[in-house]
Amino acid sequence: SQTIHQWPATLVQPVGSPLSLECTVEGTSNPNLYWYRQAAGRGLQLLFYSVGIGQISSEVPQNLSASRPQDRQFILSSKKLLLSDSGFYLCAWSVPRSQETQYFGPGTRLLVL
Amino acid sequence: GENVEQHPSTLSVQEGDSAVIKCTYSDSASNYFPWYKQELGKRPQLIIDIRSNVGEKKDQRIAVTLNKTAKHFSLHITETQPEDSAVYFCAATIPPYLGDMRFGAGTRLTVKP
Repeated sequence: SQTIHQWPATLVQPVGSPLSLECTVEGTSNPNLYWYRQAAGRGLQLLFYSVGIGQISSEVPQNLSASRPQDRQFILSSKKLLLSDSGFYLCAWSVPRSQETQYFGPGTRLLVL
Repeated sequence: GENVEQHPSTLSVQEGDSAVIKCTYSDSASNYFPWYKQELGKRPQLIIDIRSNVGEKKDQRIAVTLNKTAKHFSLHITETQPEDSAVYFCAATIPPYLGDMRFGAGTRLTVKP
């Protein structure tokens, strides 16, 4: 069966510091991968998605970036965090083409102070 | 692109009553409609989904209906229980499912014992 991991689970960072969040998927090959952000009490905002190694599509221009160095690894980064980057970051995966359902990881709660 | 609207934003019902959450979508090419349940501090989890070739789908106390002509779909929960309390998100996606899933803003359901 497939599992999705995210770390860290929680993170408190000062404004202007860098960020690196990691997501890995097990039990499947060539998944579609997604990064979402959820502000407190709000909906899901798609940030990036990837259909393969090195292929990243950005939905919202911002100070965040994503990379996919390996088939089942997805990384969300920032060089300088803003207060507005605080939120719950969710990674998700789906099987390409044959199944549309997205399955979410446990999330990383980020607080920027 | 696709736009999904969800109503109501909050819903409070007595235990045992039914709850209905409605979503509308804008792109007639959308053909897959999942519903997710998110408990406080947890990841969204798929509870039911429907494809455009089906008008209704049921799973125990949960059902989803789809009206393609009117471009709306609804989640029905019968005999609600306190553990049904959560935020529910609808979504719609367009083939070929590459970053095209759009989520509603969410409905916070509270079931009062």
